[in-house]
Amino acid sequence: EADIYQTPRYLVIGTGKKITLECSQTMGHDKMYWYQQDPGMELHLIHYSYGVNSTEKGDLSSESTVSRIRTEHFPLTLESARPSHTSQYLCASVSPGLAGEEGTGELFFGEGSRLTVL
Amino acid sequence: KNQVEQSPQSLIILEGKNCTLQCNYTVSPFSNLRWYKQDTGRGPVSLTIMTFSENTKSNGRYTATLDADTKQSSLHITASQLSDSASYICVVYDRGSTLGRLYFGRGTQLTVWP
Repeated sequence: EADIYQTPRYLVIGTGKKITLECSQTMGHDKMYWYQQDPGMELHLIHYSYGVNSTEKGDLSSESTVSRIRTEHFPLTLESARPSHTSQYLCASVSPGLAGEEGTGELFFGEGSRLTVL
Repeated sequence: KNQVEQSPQSLIILEGKNCTLQCNYTVSPFSNLRWYKQDTGRGPVSLTIMTFSENTKSNGRYTATLDADTKQSSLHITASQLSDSASYICVVYDRGSTLGRLYFGRGTQLTVWP
C-alpha cells in the first residue's frame, strides 16, 4: 500500500464554490504531481512540484492552484468551481528510482478525488 | 496525436484464460516504460518497469515485453482471475525532456468474467 492519501474521495458542490483537494504523503518524496483523469482518456498533468516552494503548471490548462509549503503536503485549490471542472483528480509522488537510471522512479498514486460541480 | 497508443481499448475474457495487451509508443529518445494497473475508483499501481536494455520481465502472472526497435511493449496476463478486471495503463518516460516528461496511454479496460 502506498502511503499517499487524498481527501475528499468524493465531492459534489455548486458552481462558484471554492474547494481544496488535499494530498499528503509520508514517503518523503520530493516530486509530486496532480493529474486530471476523465473516463477513457489518458491522465493529464495539471501541476507538479519538485520540492518545497517549487510548483509549476503542467500541460493541461487549469484554473486551479497548488502550494508546497511542506514536503508531505500538496493541496490543490479551485477558487471558483465550474461544471467543466467535473473530473477525477489524482495526486501522485515519485520514488527516487533505480540508481543511475534517469526517470525510473515509480509513481505512487492516491485513491483520487472525484469532483462533481453542479 | 498521443505518443502512447494502447490496444485493444477494451477486452473481455473468461476467468482462467490468458490475454495480451499492447502498447505502441513514438516517444524518443526512449528511457523506460511502466505498466500500471488501475482498479475502478482507485489510483494506478505499478506492475513493472521496462528499461531500454530489457526485453522481458515477469511479475507473478504478469509478463511484460519490450521491443525498443519497433517501439512496442506488451503485457501478458496468464490464467486470469476476476481481480485482474481493471484498466491497464502504459506510461513512457521521455529522457530527452528537460523536466522528465511522462506520456500516458489511455489504457486497456480488461474485464474478466467467471
